[in-house]
Amino acid sequence: ETGVTQTPRHLVMGMTNKKSLKCEQHLGHNAMYWYKQSAKKPLELMFVYNFKEQTENNSVPSRFSPECPNSSHLFLHLHTLQPEDSALYLCASSQGGQTYEQYFGPGTRLTVT
Amino acid sequence: AQSVAQPEDQVNVAEGNPLTVKCTYSVSGNPYLFWYVQYPNRGLQFLLKYITGDNLVKGSYGFEAEFNKSQTSFHLKKPSALVSDSALYFCAVRGYNTDKLIFGTGTRLQVFP
Repeated sequence: ETGVTQTPRHLVMGMTNKKSLKCEQHLGHNAMYWYKQSAKKPLELMFVYNFKEQTENNSVPSRFSPECPNSSHLFLHLHTLQPEDSALYLCASSQGGQTYEQYFGPGTRLTVT
Repeated sequence: AQSVAQPEDQVNVAEGNPLTVKCTYSVSGNPYLFWYVQYPNRGLQFLLKYITGDNLVKGSYGFEAEFNKSQTSFHLKKPSALVSDSALYFCAVRGYNTDKLIFGTGTRLQVFP
């Protein structure tokens, strides 16, 4: 799984902490995505970036702040999270356009205490 | 609105037997349909997609899926299951003119030796 990498793989943080998740894609894609995967719930799309511009914000609380400095890198800045935000956060990339599949990273397992 | 249903939480099959994982969808216009697989502690891996053309789509690891427009279904199949196919399978749909990929809740496939 070297196409899309995510760091850290595991993160435990308190509700008052600030942390960031990092995603990097080595596939030359134009679009990048953040998803939240919780147990027994469908995968939830959080943000979409195309050519570094945010094109989708799926009503995500402001305590999650994305940043996309270039087409290869995507960050998710976290602050004052809640325990219910504990989940697997997945990053994906694609060539953009509706017919192209997305390639996923391994995810960051986040636990908020 | 787009939606995907995977009616079975789990499918059990004996090794060597054929397997089917069901998926139905609802979308305006022509659908773009995808199947992904997730192994433990890994991100989602793309298996196959239907965009247009032949209703039977072949993908990775011997999997195939059949698009049925009248039944709005896109079931995943494999003629002979392997124990190593045991994983979580997700169906996803993207409608015309949208960036959003909507995922089903997933079906856990268990292949017994």
